[in-house]
Amino acid sequence: QQPVQSPQAVILREGEDAVINCSSSKALYSVHWYRQKHGEAPVFLMILLKGGEQKGHEKISASFNEKKQQSSLYLTASQLSYSGTYFCGTESGRDDKIIFGKGTRLHILP
Amino acid sequence: GAVVSQHPSWVICKSGTSVKIECRSLDFQATTMFWYRQFPKQSLMLMATSNEGSKATYEQGVEKDKFLINHASLTLSTLTVTSAHPEDSSFYICSARPRDFPTDTQYFGPGTRLTVL
Repeated sequence: QQPVQSPQAVILREGEDAVINCSSSKALYSVHWYRQKHGEAPVFLMILLKGGEQKGHEKISASFNEKKQQSSLYLTASQLSYSGTYFCGTESGRDDKIIFGKGTRLHILP
Repeated sequence: GAVVSQHPSWVICKSGTSVKIECRSLDFQATTMFWYRQFPKQSLMLMATSNEGSKATYEQGVEKDKFLINHASLTLSTLTVTSAHPEDSSFYICSARPRDFPTDTQYFGPGTRLTVL
Protein backbone atom coordinates (compact mmCIF):
# COMPACT_ATOMS: atom_id res chain seq x y z
CA GLN A 1 0.00 0.00 0.00
CA GLN A 2 1.40 3.36 -1.08
CA PRO A 3 2.59 5.62 1.77
CA VAL A 4 1.08 9.09 1.98
CA GLN A 5 3.37 12.09 1.78
CA SER A 6 2.60 15.61 2.86
CA PRO A 7 2.75 18.32 1.81
CA GLN A 8 2.47 17.72 -1.94
CA ALA A 9 4.59 20.76 -2.67
CA VAL A 10 6.36 23.52 -0.81
CA ILE A 11 8.15 26.70 -1.79
CA LEU A 12 10.78 28.13 0.52
CA ARG A 13 13.32 30.89 0.50
CA GLU A 14 16.95 29.91 0.88
CA GLY A 15 17.80 29.43 4.55
CA GLU A 16 14.31 28.40 5.64
CA ASP A 17 13.41 25.04 7.13
CA ALA A 18 11.07 22.36 5.82
CA VAL A 19 9.49 19.18 7.10
CA ILE A 20 8.19 16.44 4.84
CA ASN A 21 6.01 13.74 6.32
CA CYS A 22 5.42 10.15 5.28
CA SER A 23 2.81 7.89 6.81
CA SER A 24 1.67 4.34 6.20
CA SER A 25 -1.39 2.32 7.11
CA LYS A 26 0.78 -0.80 7.41
CA ALA A 27 3.38 -1.77 9.99
CA LEU A 28 6.78 -0.75 8.69
CA TYR A 29 10.19 -2.36 8.79
CA SER A 30 12.05 0.53 7.22
CA VAL A 31 11.67 3.91 5.57
CA HIS A 32 13.90 5.11 2.73
CA TRP A 33 14.24 8.72 1.64
CA TYR A 34 15.31 9.82 -1.84
CA ARG A 35 15.61 13.09 -3.72
CA GLN A 36 15.02 13.33 -7.44
CA LYS A 37 16.00 16.22 -9.69
CA HIS A 38 14.08 16.81 -12.89
CA GLY A 39 15.01 14.28 -15.57
CA GLU A 40 17.33 12.35 -13.29
CA ALA A 41 17.09 9.18 -11.24
CA PRO A 42 16.37 9.31 -7.51
CA VAL A 43 19.36 9.70 -5.23
CA PHE A 44 19.44 7.89 -1.91
CA LEU A 45 19.45 10.14 1.16
CA MET A 46 19.01 7.78 4.10
CA ILE A 47 17.34 4.68 5.45
CA LEU A 48 15.69 4.34 8.84
CA LEU A 49 15.09 0.93 10.30
CA LYS A 50 12.56 -0.56 12.66
CA GLY A 51 13.37 0.38 16.20
CA GLY A 52 12.64 4.06 15.91
CA GLU A 53 15.67 5.68 14.43
CA GLN A 54 16.73 9.20 13.91
CA LYS A 55 19.48 10.03 11.47
CA GLY A 56 21.26 13.07 10.19
CA HIS A 57 23.08 13.86 6.97
CA GLU A 58 24.55 17.38 6.93
CA LYS A 59 21.52 19.64 7.30
CA ILE A 60 19.10 16.91 6.35
CA SER A 61 17.84 14.58 9.05
CA ALA A 62 14.95 12.19 9.51
CA SER A 63 13.03 10.39 12.20
CA PHE A 64 11.02 7.19 12.18
CA ASN A 65 8.21 6.59 14.62
CA GLU A 66 7.56 2.90 14.30
CA LYS A 67 4.46 2.91 16.49
CA LYS A 68 2.79 5.65 14.50
CA GLN A 69 4.08 4.21 11.21
CA GLN A 70 5.37 7.64 10.32
CA SER A 71 8.60 9.22 9.22
CA SER A 72 9.58 12.83 8.80
CA LEU A 73 12.40 14.39 6.80
CA TYR A 74 13.81 17.65 8.16
CA LEU A 75 15.63 20.12 5.95
CA THR A 76 17.26 22.93 7.89
CA ALA A 77 18.70 26.16 6.51
CA SER A 78 17.71 25.02 3.02
CA GLN A 79 20.05 25.58 0.11
CA LEU A 80 19.21 26.05 -3.57
CA SER A 81 20.58 22.57 -4.23
CA TYR A 82 17.85 21.06 -2.04
CA SER A 83 15.25 21.74 -4.72
CA GLY A 84 13.70 18.62 -6.19
CA THR A 85 11.10 16.01 -5.48
CA TYR A 86 11.47 14.02 -2.29
CA PHE A 87 10.14 10.48 -2.14
CA CYS A 88 9.73 8.27 0.85
CA GLY A 89 9.73 4.55 0.27
CA THR A 90 8.49 2.02 2.78
CA GLU A 91 9.15 -1.66 3.39
CA SER A 92 6.90 -3.89 5.42
CA GLY A 93 9.52 -6.54 5.97
CA ARG A 94 13.24 -7.14 5.59
CA ASP A 95 14.20 -7.54 1.92
CA ASP A 96 10.68 -6.66 0.88
CA LYS A 97 10.01 -4.42 -2.08
CA ILE A 98 10.02 -0.67 -1.50
CA ILE A 99 6.79 1.14 -2.27
CA PHE A 100 7.16 4.85 -2.95
CA GLY A 101 4.87 7.72 -2.02
CA LYS A 102 3.72 10.25 -4.60
CA GLY A 103 6.49 12.64 -3.72
CA THR A 104 6.81 16.14 -2.30
CA ARG A 105 8.04 18.85 -4.63
CA LEU A 106 10.37 21.31 -2.95
CA HIS A 107 11.34 24.55 -4.62
CA ILE A 108 13.91 26.82 -3.01
CA LEU A 109 13.95 30.47 -4.03
CA PRO A 110 17.11 32.58 -3.74
CA GLY B 1 30.43 2.64 -4.22
CA ALA B 2 26.97 1.27 -5.10
CA VAL B 3 26.87 2.45 -8.71
CA VAL B 4 24.16 1.26 -11.06
CA SER B 5 24.30 1.94 -14.77
CA GLN B 6 21.59 1.76 -17.41
CA HIS B 7 21.89 1.57 -21.15
CA PRO B 8 20.71 3.26 -23.24
CA SER B 9 20.03 6.64 -21.61
CA TRP B 10 17.31 7.38 -24.11
CA VAL B 11 15.77 5.63 -27.05
CA ILE B 12 13.29 6.61 -29.74
CA CYS B 13 11.64 3.82 -31.65
CA LYS B 14 8.76 3.19 -34.01
CA SER B 15 5.52 1.65 -32.83
CA GLY B 16 5.63 -2.14 -33.01
CA THR B 17 9.34 -2.56 -32.43
CA SER B 18 11.00 -4.05 -29.35
CA VAL B 19 13.43 -2.22 -27.11
CA LYS B 20 15.92 -3.72 -24.68
CA ILE B 21 17.17 -1.82 -21.64
CA GLU B 22 20.15 -3.04 -19.62
CA CYS B 23 20.74 -2.48 -15.92
CA ARG B 24 24.11 -3.23 -14.39
CA SER B 25 25.44 -2.99 -10.86
CA LEU B 26 29.03 -1.89 -11.39
CA ASP B 27 30.70 -2.38 -8.04
CA PHE B 28 28.51 -4.81 -6.16
CA GLN B 29 26.52 -7.95 -6.71
CA ALA B 30 22.77 -7.75 -6.63
CA THR B 31 20.59 -10.76 -6.05
CA THR B 32 17.55 -8.60 -6.60
CA MET B 33 16.94 -5.83 -9.08
CA PHE B 34 13.79 -3.80 -9.51
CA TRP B 35 12.23 -2.15 -12.54
CA TYR B 36 10.16 1.02 -12.23
CA ARG B 37 8.44 3.31 -14.65
CA GLN B 38 7.74 6.94 -14.00
CA PHE B 39 5.42 9.26 -15.90
CA PRO B 40 6.06 13.03 -15.79
CA LYS B 41 5.54 14.50 -12.34
CA GLN B 42 4.40 11.18 -10.94
CA SER B 43 5.78 8.65 -8.52
CA LEU B 44 7.94 5.63 -9.19
CA MET B 45 5.68 2.71 -9.98
CA LEU B 46 7.20 -0.70 -9.38
CA MET B 47 6.77 -2.94 -12.40
CA ALA B 48 8.59 -6.07 -11.36
CA THR B 49 11.16 -7.60 -9.08
CA SER B 50 13.94 -9.43 -10.85
CA ASN B 51 15.73 -12.27 -9.09
CA GLU B 52 18.97 -13.73 -10.38
CA GLY B 53 18.42 -17.15 -11.86
CA SER B 54 14.66 -17.20 -11.49
CA LYS B 55 11.55 -15.72 -13.01
CA ALA B 56 10.67 -12.13 -12.31
CA THR B 57 7.75 -11.25 -10.06
CA TYR B 58 5.42 -8.78 -11.75
CA GLU B 59 3.17 -6.27 -10.03
CA GLN B 60 -0.54 -6.40 -10.60
CA GLY B 61 -1.52 -4.90 -13.91
CA VAL B 62 1.90 -5.28 -15.54
CA GLU B 63 1.85 -7.54 -18.59
CA LYS B 64 4.64 -10.07 -18.26
CA ASP B 65 4.51 -10.92 -21.97
CA LYS B 66 4.98 -7.30 -22.90
CA PHE B 67 7.71 -6.43 -20.41
CA LEU B 68 10.19 -9.29 -20.52
CA ILE B 69 12.71 -9.34 -17.72
CA ASN B 70 15.85 -11.42 -17.60
CA HIS B 71 18.29 -11.46 -14.70
CA ALA B 72 21.19 -13.30 -16.25
CA SER B 73 23.82 -12.68 -13.61
CA LEU B 74 24.36 -11.03 -10.23
CA THR B 75 25.23 -7.78 -11.99
CA LEU B 76 22.91 -7.65 -14.99
CA SER B 77 19.18 -7.45 -15.53
CA THR B 78 17.44 -6.59 -18.79
CA LEU B 79 13.99 -5.26 -19.56
CA THR B 80 12.63 -5.77 -23.05
CA VAL B 81 9.56 -3.81 -24.06
CA THR B 82 8.01 -5.90 -26.81
CA SER B 83 5.85 -4.43 -29.57
CA ALA B 84 6.15 -0.98 -28.07
CA HIS B 85 3.32 1.52 -28.49
CA PRO B 86 3.17 5.26 -27.79
CA GLU B 87 1.52 4.63 -24.40
CA ASP B 88 4.68 2.78 -23.36
CA SER B 89 6.64 6.01 -23.62
CA SER B 90 7.98 6.68 -20.15
CA PHE B 91 11.05 6.97 -17.96
CA TYR B 92 12.20 3.46 -16.99
CA ILE B 93 14.45 3.19 -13.97
CA CYS B 94 16.09 0.13 -12.51
CA SER B 95 17.45 -0.29 -9.02
CA ALA B 96 19.61 -2.90 -7.37
CA ARG B 97 19.98 -4.13 -3.84
CA PRO B 98 23.44 -5.25 -2.68
CA ARG B 99 23.55 -8.98 -2.04
CA ASP B 100 25.81 -8.74 0.96
CA PHE B 101 23.82 -6.05 2.75
CA PRO B 102 20.20 -7.17 2.73
CA THR B 103 19.09 -4.38 5.01
CA ASP B 104 20.66 -1.80 2.76
CA THR B 105 18.65 0.35 0.46
CA GLN B 106 18.18 0.14 -3.26
CA TYR B 107 20.48 2.09 -5.56
CA PHE B 108 18.98 3.51 -8.71
CA GLY B 109 20.35 3.62 -12.21
CA PRO B 110 20.22 6.89 -14.16
CA GLY B 111 17.08 5.85 -16.04
CA THR B 112 16.17 5.30 -19.66
CA ARG B 113 13.78 7.62 -21.43
CA LEU B 114 11.75 5.70 -23.98
CA THR B 115 9.80 7.51 -26.68
CA VAL B 116 7.65 5.44 -29.01
CA LEU B 117 6.52 7.20 -32.15
